[in-house]
Amino acid sequence: EIVLTQSPGTLSLSPGERATLSCRASQSVSSSYLAWYQQKPGQAPRLLIYGASSRATGIPDRFSGSGSGTDFTLTISRLEPEDFAVYYCQQYGSSLLMYTFGQGTKLEIK
Amino acid sequence: QVQLQESGPGLVKPSQTLSLTCTVSGGSISSGSYYWSWIRQPAGKGLEWIGRIYTSGSTNYNPSLKSRVTISVDTSKNQFSLKLSSVTAADTAVYYCARDPAYYYDSSGCFDYWGQGTLVTVSS
Repeated sequence: EIVLTQSPGTLSLSPGERATLSCRASQSVSSSYLAWYQQKPGQAPRLLIYGASSRATGIPDRFSGSGSGTDFTLTISRLEPEDFAVYYCQQYGSSLLMYTFGQGTKLEIK
Repeated sequence: QVQLQESGPGLVKPSQTLSLTCTVSGGSISSGSYYWSWIRQPAGKGLEWIGRIYTSGSTNYNPSLKSRVTISVDTSKNQFSLKLSSVTAADTAVYYCARDPAYYYDSSGCFDYWGQGTLVTVSS
């Protein structure tokens, strides 16, 4: 089973700043199967990025994803007040036929 | 617009079976190529995938839960269901249903639509 480790656990930034969130896999992940989600309190996760770098429908272009192999990054170019939330990376293993999530990064207002 | 809605008992006794249903609206559960999943989240913790069912009815489960999980589909009601047996307090969580928009049998690898989640507490 592939383990996803996200860092940092908590990121404290101010609106307007740039946020860089990391997701590291215990073994190589297909870029086609790496996704990022945003979750606000009391809400379901919302798909932001799929295929490591493609934005989901309706997602602002300040969100971008990059990476390959075992290292992936979610970047928010200029933080808006509504961006403060918990972010999860997720991968799908086509051989094991299962999905796994990282433990999450909490993005909080500084 | 596709919508998913979980329903079921909010309280289950230890050793009993947790049963939840996800009702899909805004589209037929059996048309197109989709994997329909259950995912859970204990309070203050991360997300755990439980299992999925394909449009055709084939299933895959998380190995850590496989011995206790059954996922089924009722196309006549546009619903799919989760049964988790022999529950303990560790199964207390918010349970989500979600959709993976596959291409034939190939998973997209992500979940584009989610239900709002339902809290299930395991307690006597």
